[in-house]
Amino acid sequence: GNSVTQMEGPVTLSEEAFLTINCTYTATGYPSLFWYVQYPGEGLQLLLKATKADDKGSNKGFEATYRKETTSFHLEKGSVQVSDSAVYFCALKKGNKLVFGAGTILRVKS
Amino acid sequence: DGGITQSPKYLFRKEGQNVTLSCEQNLNHDAMYWYRQDPGQGLRLIYYSQIVNDFQKGDIAEGYSVSREKKESFPLTVTSAQKNPTAFYLCASSVDSDTGELFFGEGSRLTVL
Repeated sequence: GNSVTQMEGPVTLSEEAFLTINCTYTATGYPSLFWYVQYPGEGLQLLLKATKADDKGSNKGFEATYRKETTSFHLEKGSVQVSDSAVYFCALKKGNKLVFGAGTILRVKS
Repeated sequence: DGGITQSPKYLFRKEGQNVTLSCEQNLNHDAMYWYRQDPGQGLRLIYYSQIVNDFQKGDIAEGYSVSREKKESFPLTVTSAQKNPTAFYLCASSVDSDTGELFFGEGSRLTVL
């Protein structure tokens, strides 16, 4: 079936460090891929998306590239801020359902 | 402001009682969803509705029920048949069921004592 695997957290970084959160997926065909972010005490918000192979989604300094060959959609940011501390969810869409990964907690220290 | 409102934010209930969680949206979205969030397990789909008066079971529908009598509203009832109901529940909506761009409420935390 369709599934998403994310790197386990928590990930703890100092401010201005480089961030990578790994995400790989299993699916038949070519699903759309998403990153959602959940700030403390809030619901999830869409961060970025990619709908086909080699697409790059980007928003708020975050980027992720849809890699069909490695079935991956890793999230990156060049310089994190304390305000980026949140839980990040990778997700895929197949048909009319979204399938989420387990989430990765990011903590950024000043 | 357009958005999704869930209530209550926190709810405590005794074992064996049914509880209903409210979800209202004023985004004029056709599709609505209920997810359950447990630590380390991500979000799991309970029920979804693509249009008024229609809904489908998600991956973990047992012990839950929903209704969609109005476009704006999609309440979730956690029944006494749900074996482990203590969790964080998230409601979401989208323009239609084809998009993966969901808008989420702030969630309801249910604790069964």
